[in-house]
Amino acid sequence: TQLLEQSPQFLSIQEGENLTVYCNSSSVFSSLQWYRQEPGEGPVLLVTVVTGGEVKKLKRLTFQFGDARKDSSLHITAAQPGDTGLYLCAGPAGGTSYGKLTFGQGTILTVHP
Amino acid sequence: DTAVSQTPKYLVTQMGNDKSIKCEQNLGHDTMYWYKQDSKKFLKIMFSYNNKELIINETVPNRFSPKSPDKAHLNLHINSLELGDSAVYFCASSQERLAAHYNEQFFGPGTRLTVL
Repeated sequence: TQLLEQSPQFLSIQEGENLTVYCNSSSVFSSLQWYRQEPGEGPVLLVTVVTGGEVKKLKRLTFQFGDARKDSSLHITAAQPGDTGLYLCAGPAGGTSYGKLTFGQGTILTVHP
Repeated sequence: DTAVSQTPKYLVTQMGNDKSIKCEQNLGHDTMYWYKQDSKKFLKIMFSYNNKELIINETVPNRFSPKSPDKAHLNLHINSLELGDSAVYFCASSQERLAAHYNEQFFGPGTRLTVL
C-alpha cells in the first residue's frame, strides 16, 4: 500500500506570512495531486504534478514535485484568509487505471486577518 | 449547474436504521466513487464504479451497498447503521483515461451522516 504523509497536520498563521506544506512517501508516484477543501464542501483539485522536479505556480501557490517523485510541497506566499481550508495531497494508488487515489491525512490551514 | 450533487446534505438517524445517499453527476464521466471522511478529515475510498460496473471495493462492511442504475448515478445504501458510521460521505466522478497518469476527480458537497 502506498502511503502519503502530510506535515504539518495543523497550521495557524497570520495574514501575510509564508508557509509550506509537505507531502512525503517512501513510494514512487507517477503523479501527485493537491486538493483544497473548504468547510462544508468537497475537495477541489488545485494542481497535478507529473514530472520529477516539476514546479507549477497558481497565483501565490507554488507546487513542487520531488526529483525522485516520492514527495511534493505546496508553498503559499503572503497567505490570505481566503486560503483557509484543508489541503490534501493525493496520488494514484499504484497499478490501477481506474482512478483510485490515496490521500494524505491533510493539513488544516487557518489564516488569521 | 452543479457538476456532482448529493442528497441529502445532512442525515441524522438512529442506530439500526437503514438509509440511502444519492449522487448524480452531469459531467458525462464514466467513473464514480464513494469516499468516507472521518472526524480527523482523513479521506478514504470505499467504492468505485466504471460504466455501472463495480471496480473498487475496499474493506467496507457489507452493510454498505452501492448501486449504479446508470453511469450518471451512484447511490449508497447503508443497512443497520452503527455509531461508527458517523462521518462525511463524498461522491466523486472522473473520466477514465487509460493513457493518462492521472484523472481529475470532481467531488460532491458531501453528506454529513450522524448516527445517534
